[in-house]
Amino acid sequence: AQSVTQPDIHITVSEGASLELRCNYSYGATPYLFWYVQSPGQGLQLLLKYFSGDTLVQGIKGFEAEFKRSQSSFNLRKPSVHWSDAAEYFCAVGAGEGNNDMRFGAGTRLTVKP
Amino acid sequence: DAGVIQSPRHEVTEMGQEVTLRCKPISGHDYLFWYRQTMMRGLELLIYFNNNVPIDDSGMPEDRFSAKMPNASFSTLKIQPSEPRDSAVYFCASSRTGEAFFGQGTRLTVV
Repeated sequence: AQSVTQPDIHITVSEGASLELRCNYSYGATPYLFWYVQSPGQGLQLLLKYFSGDTLVQGIKGFEAEFKRSQSSFNLRKPSVHWSDAAEYFCAVGAGEGNNDMRFGAGTRLTVKP
Repeated sequence: DAGVIQSPRHEVTEMGQEVTLRCKPISGHDYLFWYRQTMMRGLELLIYFNNNVPIDDSGMPEDRFSAKMPNASFSTLKIQPSEPRDSAVYFCASSRTGEAFFGQGTRLTVV
């Protein structure tokens, strides 16, 4: 089955600074890739997804992610972080069309300093 | 659509009791997932259904856990008997085109 690694358990950035959260996946075919955000006490909300086509995808709240097949990566970026971005971020990989089995990484907790 | 609806939001039960968690997926979604989230193990896929049929239950921890989906609009996750180590947040999610939509979760505490 597919799997996801998020190397950073916790990241702290200053408000206004840029952000990059790392995600590496393992899957034998072209995967479906996702980033979700979870605020405390809440469910997971989809930020963006990659199925095919342009490898740079735009999401909600000013986030973007780039699919790099050669590196098996799907890193999440934001040029300027806001205090409200503090949350837990999860990368996920799906098995692709016809199979919605989805596996999540361990998550990266983002702290934003004022 | 109201999104994925889970009930109850919080459940506190005594060890040995039966616990039933409920989920109503988004109308028209043909996949339904049950996840468990803990600090130690993160977000774990327990089981998922396609068109009400269980496809993969390899994530179900043991026989104390069972899940059903009697129709397209309802699923249950049952733990019998419950144990303190079952304490976690249980999420239900549904999907149709690949991305999953999550409910608010049920926080289960077994004392």
